[in-house]
Amino acid sequence: DADVTQTPRNRITKTGKRIMLECSQTKGHDRMYWYRQDPGLGLQLIYYSFDVKDINKGEISDGYSVSRQAQAKFSLSLESAIPNQTALYFCATSDGARTGSGELFFGEGSRLTVL
Amino acid sequence: DQQVKQNSPSLSVQEGRISILNCDYTNSMFDYFLWYKKYPAEGPTFLISISSIKDKNEDGRFTVFLNKSAKHLSLHIVPSQPGDSAVYFCAASPNFGNEKLTFGTGTRLTIIP
Repeated sequence: DADVTQTPRNRITKTGKRIMLECSQTKGHDRMYWYRQDPGLGLQLIYYSFDVKDINKGEISDGYSVSRQAQAKFSLSLESAIPNQTALYFCATSDGARTGSGELFFGEGSRLTVL
Repeated sequence: DQQVKQNSPSLSVQEGRISILNCDYTNSMFDYFLWYKKYPAEGPTFLISISSIKDKNEDGRFTVFLNKSAKHLSLHIVPSQPGDSAVYFCAASPNFGNEKLTFGTGTRLTIIP
């Protein structure tokens, strides 16, 4: 099983609908992130959380909200989806550089299409 | 404003030869750099990193070179293998342990058997 699991993997929805993308991890990491990937733009940080009571905005947080329900769970919500939120979304975790090279561990991605 | 740039969207290299992927950055506050590899339908996975106090870091077939004065880094893969075909992202951070990474746009590497 994957250490960082995202659900759903694919979702098609309509403009104005509320969408939630969920992320859970078994790595025991405190830090969790949501990134968005668009063609030609690389990955951009939406929100991040360093522990359950900590939520921070990233570069492109407008139109998104998050909830850190537990150390292992971090969900991303689009309250009213719009077509330019069509993208590939990645959840990631890290241990704050206590071990390894301080890298992020990514989930497999959630492809969202807003019609 | 793209602070981390990978100007080659794609690169094709013969199996066994050297693959060189390039990355330029504009923010002089960046102090730690990472390369990630991404296969289709999978998330990016960490490959190798380098701190600005070094100019080279090697891990098996993968070597990252950093030229801080030119704000340029490169990833060398020698010898290239078919399994190296993937999209490679360069990422930068103000310091080690700061995971608020700024990513480049990626380079799709294709290894030709």
